[in-house]
Amino acid sequence: AQRVTQPEKLLSVFKGAPVELKCNYSYSGSPELFWYVQYSRQRLQLLLRHISRESIKGFTADLNKGETSFHLKKPFAQEEDSAMYYCALSGASGTYKYIFGTGTRLKVLA
Amino acid sequence: GAGVSQTPSNKVTEKGKYVELRCDPISGHTALYWYRQSLGQGPEFLIYFQGTGAADDSGLPNDRFFAVRPEGSVSTLKIQRTERGDSAVYLCASSLGGDKNIQYFGAGTRLSVL
Repeated sequence: AQRVTQPEKLLSVFKGAPVELKCNYSYSGSPELFWYVQYSRQRLQLLLRHISRESIKGFTADLNKGETSFHLKKPFAQEEDSAMYYCALSGASGTYKYIFGTGTRLKVLA
Repeated sequence: GAGVSQTPSNKVTEKGKYVELRCDPISGHTALYWYRQSLGQGPEFLIYFQGTGAADDSGLPNDRFFAVRPEGSVSTLKIQRTERGDSAVYLCASSLGGDKNIQYFGAGTRLSVL
């Protein structure tokens, strides 16, 4: 079955501390992985795409096919990082629909 | 340029009524998706259009749900005989299609069925 698991509903860290939001997936094939972020009262927006291998707002994510994981990391959290984060996967061909995890709320404390 | 636009932003209806939710995608985006997000959950896929045709409607929960995209741009999600369990945020997304699959989301329509 195709599935994305985000085990933490809520993650609280202090400003300046490292952050890791976990994402594991189950997919038969070669999926494309994404992280989307939703700031308060804003729409879902793309944060990272695994094939881009970019660092956005200090966040990085590496696809680990052996562990079927795509964890999101940032070395020093900022208060403005507080938001809802969703991991999603898309098949490499076909409908390209997204399968989302349930999301992790990140709270960065002053 | 304008992003994905969804109207109305909020819709309150009574059980058993019919509702229509509208999505205006980014100009030039051939692919359009509908998702449903219930409280505490991630968005769940409903239906995908490539151009005017529904290429994948496997996520529609039952035959009360239907969507159209007659001219390959604006799409309407239609729900007949609404039930309280249909209450959710309905999200629309569009993309350039194919392997250029970054989906851009609208702000959603919050549907409340009383």
